[in-house]
Order: sequence, then structure tokens, then C-alpha cells
Amino acid sequence: DAGITQSPRYKITETGRQVTLMCHQTWSHSYMFWYRQDLGHGLRLIYYSAAADITDKGEVPDGYVVSRSKTENFPLTLESATRSQTSVYFCASSEGPQFFGPGTRLTVL
Amino acid sequence: KNQVEQSPQSLIILEGKNCTLQCNYTVSPFSNLRWYKQDTGRGPVSLTIMTFSENTKSNGRYTATLDADTKQSSLHITASQLSDSASYICVVIYAGGTSYGKLTFGQGTILTVHP
Repeated sequence: DAGITQSPRYKITETGRQVTLMCHQTWSHSYMFWYRQDLGHGLRLIYYSAAADITDKGEVPDGYVVSRSKTENFPLTLESATRSQTSVYFCASSEGPQFFGPGTRLTVL
Repeated sequence: KNQVEQSPQSLIILEGKNCTLQCNYTVSPFSNLRWYKQDTGRGPVSLTIMTFSENTKSNGRYTATLDADTKQSSLHITASQLSDSASYICVVIYAGGTSYGKLTFGQGTILTVHP
């Protein structure tokens, strides 16, 4: 199906564990983004990518790592999860207006 | 610091009524302003996109206005429906310097439509 998908949709993990959130888009959009959404804050940009193998930090990149070896995939890795990373994570892709994925709700215990 | 402030934080209206959501921003210069609708448990979906030179943009029952002089935008919803219950997010895209294209998100207005 065409669109942007995220997996898993829900994840519970423990402090210190490594977690990878997946994002896949079928439009061949050049730009992809990762945001986190927390109560009391608007969506905040973690990392973005302008093309395969090109990534850059956003507003809140600490504790996160991204890669983009293929245009359609943009995984986000929490190398050592912390409780403060409990959030809802949205991936988006764009060639103009952004299209958002359905989100991943991550809980770090 | 570039900011986007939305009001009210939440709003409850009866089905069939109209409502207006506000967005004030300090982002300058900006290239365009967007309104998104976010249903509970879903990602935001674009409703309208206005460039700095546009004053109004409609999408069905949704009409967005923009006053670039006062740095204000509003989203007017006509004849509300239960399905309009959602969070509405104002986003302003920065058009200056090395951060060109950076999106600044408001915190959103949570709209609840009651039957």
C-alpha cells in the first residue's frame, strides 16, 4: 500500500535497552523526519534527512541515532533508552507538505 | 526565539456550531503557514497551506486566514461535525538563513464536538 508506515505501533522497553523504530514510505520522497510529541510541547524535530545518506540534527537529537541507507527507510534508534524518551514518535516524509505516519507510542520503564 | 502560540488550548462546542481557532507566531521571515488536523492516536494531516502572500485558504468546511502584518492566523470551522473532534496544529515554516525550511509547531488546540 502506498503511504508512510511506522513499526511497531506500540513498544514498551526498559531503561538502558536499545530500541529501533522503523519508518517506511512508498512515495520516494526525498525528505524524511522524526518527531516526538509530548504533552505540553508541540511536535519537536529529532532528526531529518534530505536524501539517502544525508541526515542532520533537529531540535532534540540527544540520545537518538538515525540512518538512511535507502530512500524509503528512515529508522530511529535509541541507543540506551531513558524514561525521558517515553513519548509518541512520528515519522514524516515530504517533497512539499509533510505526510505523517501513524506514530509509535514508546514507553520506557 | 521563533514561537507559535495557539489559543484556546481546548474548546468544546455543540454539533452544527461554528468555531474559530487562533494562531499567533513570531517566526520571521516565514515562507508558509500550515494547519494540521490530528485525530487521537494518529499522525497529523494537512488541512491548509498558505504562503505569506495569501490571506485565506479554504478546504471544505475549514477556512484559514492569515494576517502577515500582525502575525496571526485563524482556522474557522463551519457547521461542525462530530468527526471534527481532534487536535488542530498550526505550523509555521521559517524562511531565513541556515534554518530555511525549519518547521515550528504550535502546541495545538483540542476541539471536542458534542452531539
